[in-house]
Amino acid sequence: GENVEQHPSTLSVQEGDSAVIKCTYSDSASNYFPWYKQELGKGPQLIIDIRSNVGEKKDQRIAVTLNKTAKHFSLHITETQPEDSAVYFCAASGVGYMGGSEKLVFGKGTKLTVNP
Amino acid sequence: EPEVTQTPSHQVTQMGQEVILRCVPISNHLYFYWYRQILGQKVEFLVSFYNNEISEKSEIFDDQFSVERPDGSNFTLKIRSTKLEDSAMYFCASSRDGGEYSYEQYFGPGTRLTVT
Repeated sequence: GENVEQHPSTLSVQEGDSAVIKCTYSDSASNYFPWYKQELGKGPQLIIDIRSNVGEKKDQRIAVTLNKTAKHFSLHITETQPEDSAVYFCAASGVGYMGGSEKLVFGKGTKLTVNP
Repeated sequence: EPEVTQTPSHQVTQMGQEVILRCVPISNHLYFYWYRQILGQKVEFLVSFYNNEISEKSEIFDDQFSVERPDGSNFTLKIRSTKLEDSAMYFCASSRDGGEYSYEQYFGPGTRLTVT
């Protein structure tokens, strides 16, 4: 089955710097790669996603890149702010035969700390 | 903005007791999921549900677990005889039926289950 590895497990940056989190996946059939942000005591919040027919996607200060050949994808956060501090999870899935997404397989998470 | 809700936020139960965790998915969503997160570990898939039947389940989802959509709004996870190792945060998620955004899974805030 699918296996997702995520690095680093912790990341500390200064406010205004960029942060990059990387994930690799094992199943070439996976074609959907979301990123979730989880704040303390809350559920995972979808922040950005990318599908395998796209190499890069950007939404304001966050961007995700995908390299299908190498089976890795990355989250980039620019101009980090203290409120970006949270645990970030990458995930991978396919599309079910009935059209909805299949199960998400998550990475272990990255605890991002943005220091003022 | 519509969101997934879950009750209770925290459930404490004794080993061997039955628990029911409740979720109200986003109203126009038709795919439903349960995940769990043991403290400090990855978010793990338990089960997906579509058209009133289980579409996929993990090896964790054994005969002690069951899911049900008893009415048009609720989605429940029942654990018949809880074990200490069932202690975890349980997340409900939902996604749309088909269309461009059917991949996206939206998570609730979770129910923390503590088995003593």
